Amino acid sequence: RKEVEQDPGPFNVPEGATVAFNCTYSNSASQSFFWYRQDCRKEPKLLMSVYSSGNEDGRFTAQLNRASQYISLLIRDSKLSDSATYLCVVGSSGSARQLTFGSGTQLTVLP
Amino acid sequence: DAGITQSPRHKVTETGTPVTLRCHQTENHRYMYWYRQDPGHGLRLIHYSYGVKDTDKGEVSDGYSVSRSKTEDFLLTLESATSSQTSVYFCAISRWTGLNTGELFFGEGSRLTVL
Repeated sequence: RKEVEQDPGPFNVPEGATVAFNCTYSNSASQSFFWYRQDCRKEPKLLMSVYSSGNEDGRFTAQLNRASQYISLLIRDSKLSDSATYLCVVGSSGSARQLTFGSGTQLTVLP
Repeated sequence: DAGITQSPRHKVTETGTPVTLRCHQTENHRYMYWYRQDPGHGLRLIHYSYGVKDTDKGEVSDGYSVSRSKTEDFLLTLESATSSQTSVYFCAISRWTGLNTGELFFGEGSRLTVL
């Protein structure tokens, strides 16, 4: 079993749709959680950190469920420019050495 | 823009040849990392550095070595490249410590093909 698992997709959604991704993690001692976005053939870029209380940044909402060991990313009112691969990242300590990346979920927003 | 540049951006080489990838940063950050990214896998840590001449192994360090003689440069060397090292290599820095260490900033990547 992978430490961090994501549905690879692809998720194909129409513009304006709401789409949600889940990411499960196996290490119950995990302490830090992040979502990254990666455009095709580009570097990953931090989208948002995920806090215990959940957090929102514009159309993006991230949630953490420690009991079930998953994090989620909700995108509302999808734009064409949201098309990318979304990477889930989980850390078990304050060291980047302990970061585990999921293999990503591919999203395509269709006109 | 985190001021990270990688070189070369693309390289094709033959099995058994040495290859060095360079990561250069302009912001004087202490922590630097080398990752590789392959289809079906998340990014995997190869080596990291927490200061000049201070480096340590990551998850997939076999076949790779690193050096950091200056704060701004972190070099990744494949002493004798193999086809299994065909990958996209990303350098990263972290601006923070503690639990925010996961807020990484990546270079644009170096695409390496070993024939």
